[in-house]
Amino acid sequence: EAGVVQSPRYKIIEKKQPVAFWCNPISGHNTLYWYRQNLGQGPELLIRYENEEAVDDSQLPKDRFSAERLKGVDSTLKIQPAELGDSAVYLCASSLGAGRGSVYGYTFGSGTRLTVV
Amino acid sequence: KQEVTQIPAALSVPEGENLVLNCSFTDSAIYNLQWFRQDPGKGLTSLLLIQSSQREQTSGRLNASLDKSSGRSTLYIAASQPGDSATYLCAPDNTDKLIFGTGTRLQVFP
Repeated sequence: EAGVVQSPRYKIIEKKQPVAFWCNPISGHNTLYWYRQNLGQGPELLIRYENEEAVDDSQLPKDRFSAERLKGVDSTLKIQPAELGDSAVYLCASSLGAGRGSVYGYTFGSGTRLTVV
Repeated sequence: KQEVTQIPAALSVPEGENLVLNCSFTDSAIYNLQWFRQDPGKGLTSLLLIQSSQREQTSGRLNASLDKSSGRSTLYIAASQPGDSATYLCAPDNTDKLIFGTGTRLQVFP
C-alpha cells in the first residue's frame, strides 16, 4: 500500500503568486482532509471531503484558498494569491471513515512545505 | 470548542528512561483519540488509536491510556532510545476531525 501521496514536497514562491498542492489518498479511503501546520504548532483542519463533497470547509480562507476533489479520489488545494503568512506545511490525510467510533483512524501524507518570499 | 494541551512541551532525557507524555482535552465527548509521531520536516506517523470505549492500547514499547471522563490521555514510552527523538502529538476526534495540541518535543540522548 502506497500510503497518502502528496506533491510537491517543497515549494518556494513569491508573494501574490498562485500555488497548488496535490494529494492522492489511500485507495478506497472516502474521507480526505487538508490540514495546515504552522511552525511549532499542531496541524489545523482546512477542509474535509466525504467522497467528492466538501462537508466541512469552515476553516478554509475562501477569499484566497480553494480545493477540489474530482471523482472522489485525488484532491488539489490552491492558494491565489499567496501571502507571506501562508508559509506553512500543508498536510493531506485520508480515512476509511473517521469519527463516530471509527476503528480506522487517519493516515497522513508527508506534507508540502510552502515558503512564500 | 475542543482544546488540547500537551505537557511537557519539551523533554530531554538519557537513553533507557521510561517516559510519560500527557495530553488533556476540554470536550470529553470524543469518538476516539490518536497519538502521532512527527520527525523534523516530515509528516505524521500514527502510533496508537484508542476508541472511546477503550482504556488503553499497546504497541511494542508504547502504551497509551485514555480517561475520557476526565479529558486525559497519557502516552508511556518504555526504555527510551535515541530513535524515539521526535515530536509527539495527541489528537482527539469528536466532530469527524482531529484537533491537535502543540505536541511534546522529545530528545533522547545516548
